[in-house]
Amino acid sequence: KQEVTQIPAALSVPEGENLVLNCSFTDSAIYNLQWFRQDPGKGLTSLLLIQSSQREQTSGRLNASLDKSSGRSTLYIAASQPGDSATYLCAPFNNAGNMLTFGGGTRLMVKP
Amino acid sequence: GAVVSQHPSWVICKSGTSVKIECRSLDFQATTMFWYRQFPKQSLMLMATSNEGSKATYEQGVEKDKFLINHASLTLSTLTVTSAHPEDSSFYICSARDHRDMGISFFGQGTRLTVV
Repeated sequence: KQEVTQIPAALSVPEGENLVLNCSFTDSAIYNLQWFRQDPGKGLTSLLLIQSSQREQTSGRLNASLDKSSGRSTLYIAASQPGDSATYLCAPFNNAGNMLTFGGGTRLMVKP
Repeated sequence: GAVVSQHPSWVICKSGTSVKIECRSLDFQATTMFWYRQFPKQSLMLMATSNEGSKATYEQGVEKDKFLINHASLTLSTLTVTSAHPEDSSFYICSARDHRDMGISFFGQGTRLTVV
């Protein structure tokens, strides 16, 4: 059974800092991995998807890396802004179980 | 990009009544949709996998008679919370995978259910 851990659980930083959010998973037989953002009381917004054959994906100030063999993914946020404040969720997809498994999330607060 | 629409976004109902939540994939067909439940300040917990034209697959501990799932078309899955009780109050979210686009998963806006 896939287990996903996200570190840190919470993070508070001043505006402008570069951030690293970590995700580790136990079952490396994944099809892809997605990073999501969730604002309070809202659904999930997909930020980045990395296929199992890829090493990283970039979108604007976001960069996600994937090391499938070691069961790790990292989300890098450059030049953080107050609008980045949200919970960030990592979710690998396993074909075997045909499902996403979510980590506990990292609650990010970027202070002006 | 593809969009998954969930309705209603919030609902308040009396104990003992049933509530139906709809999940639609707006511009792609989804043979499989997923229903999650989320408690405050916790991550998403998969409740069941909804399969078009066949029975849903429920995760361990989820009562299939309490949470009825119907996936009657390739763009619509519904979750009905039957005989709702206050402990069923929660945030319910659906998702669907777009197989045209690397199997990316899109999520609905979520439904806040409050049972009084």
